[in-house]
Amino acid sequence: EPEVTQTPSHQVTQMGQEVILRCVPISNHLYFYWYRQILGQKVEFLVSFYNNEISEKSEIFDDQFSVERPDGSNFTLKIRSTKLEDSAMYFCASSAGWNEQFFGPGTRLTVL
Amino acid sequence: GEDVEQSLFLSVREGDSSVINCTYTDSSSTYLYWYKQEPGAGLQLLTYIFSNMDMKQDQRLTVLLNKKDKHLSLRIADTQTGDSAIYFCAESSAGNNRKLIWGLGTSLAVNP
Repeated sequence: EPEVTQTPSHQVTQMGQEVILRCVPISNHLYFYWYRQILGQKVEFLVSFYNNEISEKSEIFDDQFSVERPDGSNFTLKIRSTKLEDSAMYFCASSAGWNEQFFGPGTRLTVL
Repeated sequence: GEDVEQSLFLSVREGDSSVINCTYTDSSSTYLYWYKQEPGAGLQLLTYIFSNMDMKQDQRLTVLLNKKDKHLSLRIADTQTGDSAIYFCAESSAGNNRKLIWGLGTSLAVNP
């Protein structure tokens, strides 16, 4: 069964460093998303992406964040200068249409 | 703004039914979802219901939607120890690019 994959599973970085989180969505899906979950808090929407552009972004998704689909398979989230409060589990999701979003296993980002 | 609330914990005996409840505030919700997260794993889509439906059944899972009260429930029949996980309620609206708004999750403990 096709699934969303994410790498790495765990990323540790120093404050101020850039990180790139990678995702491979399900191959025939057209909509892509990033969410994050800070420990003990709700899962939060970051950004949605369709047709090679951002469809919607949340207030969290400021200038430090960017997304890219560099080729036909990968979907990346870049954080330019990480802050302590960026420590969270980051989930990538993809969907074929309106309804079902399928999630990857997540990348745990730890900023020291 | 939109909000989704769930009770945090539920404990049941193996073989009993579990009922996990959720309330939401967005009257324009189009789809309502239940996701399952096992320890150390990602977010697994269990089932979803379109807002013009009252009930959806899928094997041991029954979803009930009371749109007037903005109340969603997930019933798991014959609960097994393998059902122990965190269950998330989420909603999306047609007009906002399908972003999901999440509850905090209900931790289900199944006792033998």
